[in-house]
Amino acid sequence: QSVLTQPPSASGTPGQKVTISCSGNSSNIGSNPVNWYQQLPGTAPKLLIYTNNQRPSGVPGRFSGSRSGTSASLAISGLQSEDEADYYCAVCDDSLNGHVLFGGGTKLTVL
Amino acid sequence: QVQLVESGGGVVQPGRSLTLSCAASGFTFNRYGMHWVRQAPGKGLEWVSFISFDGSETSYADSVRGRFTLSRDNSRNSLSLQMNRLRPEDTAIYFCAKEVFTFASDVGAELDFWGQGTLVTVSS
Repeated sequence: QSVLTQPPSASGTPGQKVTISCSGNSSNIGSNPVNWYQQLPGTAPKLLIYTNNQRPSGVPGRFSGSRSGTSASLAISGLQSEDEADYYCAVCDDSLNGHVLFGGGTKLTVL
Repeated sequence: QVQLVESGGGVVQPGRSLTLSCAASGFTFNRYGMHWVRQAPGKGLEWVSFISFDGSETSYADSVRGRFTLSRDNSRNSLSLQMNRLRPEDTAIYFCAKEVFTFASDVGAELDFWGQGTLVTVSS
């Protein structure tokens, strides 16, 4: 069981807005920037959001991130069928000598 | 364009060794910290190891410390993960990944490019 807690699944219909949460503690999310990754079936993870709310070049503005206290969220607006994927939060943990922690992942289904 | 190509995976017996390589191109390799991340079949992502841009700093997950060694050759734009005393629970796809920020000596969780991975199976 991961130190970072994500819901195992989420779903929405095309056009909807969905939010995926990531809960940690003061040593990880409470102290360090949060990042989000998207992993489409059979492919390598892709950086979606870094440093809490920054989008890499090429990532649509439909994806946004936020952090508050010891929790973070990824929001996807205008949901599209190609958004169906696994989503992971990731952050460094000061109590683990700065090691990287990944959340357990959330499988997003577009109904 | 940035490319990371892993190699060296395969089937190995428990207790044996294997070395994974990652060939990098399309960016100034000696400016970026690099990571290995693994994913067991049907499971989530697990961070394995980090090496700083100049190779002076390394860090390992508790699950592999003392068994895995990460090194880099900046003259060849390559990473090498030496894996010793392999266990069945090391079975996974191993990805190498590049950090977003330059000249990082500390571990960061911002990984903007990933290779396609190489599969390691530890089984008798």
